[in-house]
Amino acid sequence: EIVLTQSPATLSLSPGERATLSCRASQSVSSYLAWYQQKPGQAPRLLIYDASNRATGIPARFSGSGSGTDFTLTISSLEPEDFAVYYCQQRSNWPAFGQGTRLEIK
Amino acid sequence: QVQLVQSGAEVKKPGASVKVSCKASGYTFTSYDINWVRQATGQGLEWMGWMNPNSGNTGYAQKFQGRVTMTRNTSISTAYMELSSLRSEDTAVYYCARGRYSYNWGQGTLVTVSS
Repeated sequence: EIVLTQSPATLSLSPGERATLSCRASQSVSSYLAWYQQKPGQAPRLLIYDASNRATGIPARFSGSGSGTDFTLTISSLEPEDFAVYYCQQRSNWPAFGQGTRLEIK
Repeated sequence: QVQLVQSGAEVKKPGASVKVSCKASGYTFTSYDINWVRQATGQGLEWMGWMNPNSGNTGYAQKFQGRVTMTRNTSISTAYMELSSLRSEDTAVYYCARGRYSYNWGQGTLVTVSS
């Protein structure tokens, strides 16, 4: 079973700042990793798939990178609507989610 | 546009079963896997399993093996997730999602297990 560990658990930043979220896998998942955003009371939304591909309609300020065991989601300049919880998910074999990173307004 | 519309909230007693439906529209139902994910209040996302609507093939997370069954009715583009032997820890919002990478999600179905 592949375990995903996200860090930090909580990230406090201000609008306009750059956010860097990390996801580490317990073994290689190649590039089979996705990132999701979830706001309170809403279903998750796919942001990034295959580690670095933006899903349809996702703004260019969101970018993903990494392969193997270490992955990063970067938000280049935070907008007010970006404050939410972010999850990574591996699709290498039996899918699993990380525990999430809460991005909060500083 | 792609839509996944799930059935309404359920209240069940411990030991009972629940069956949640997920009606798809706006795309060819048999062309994309359906995943089921659940989320307890204030907790993270938990992947339960997947189903290929074309073949009916399924794959379940080990945690749910023996308790979960995922099926479909292609004539009405609807997927189903049935969870049996319910316990209080199964109280959660259950989501269906389309595709290997869950491109689209249903609105969620709250299942409450309480005596």
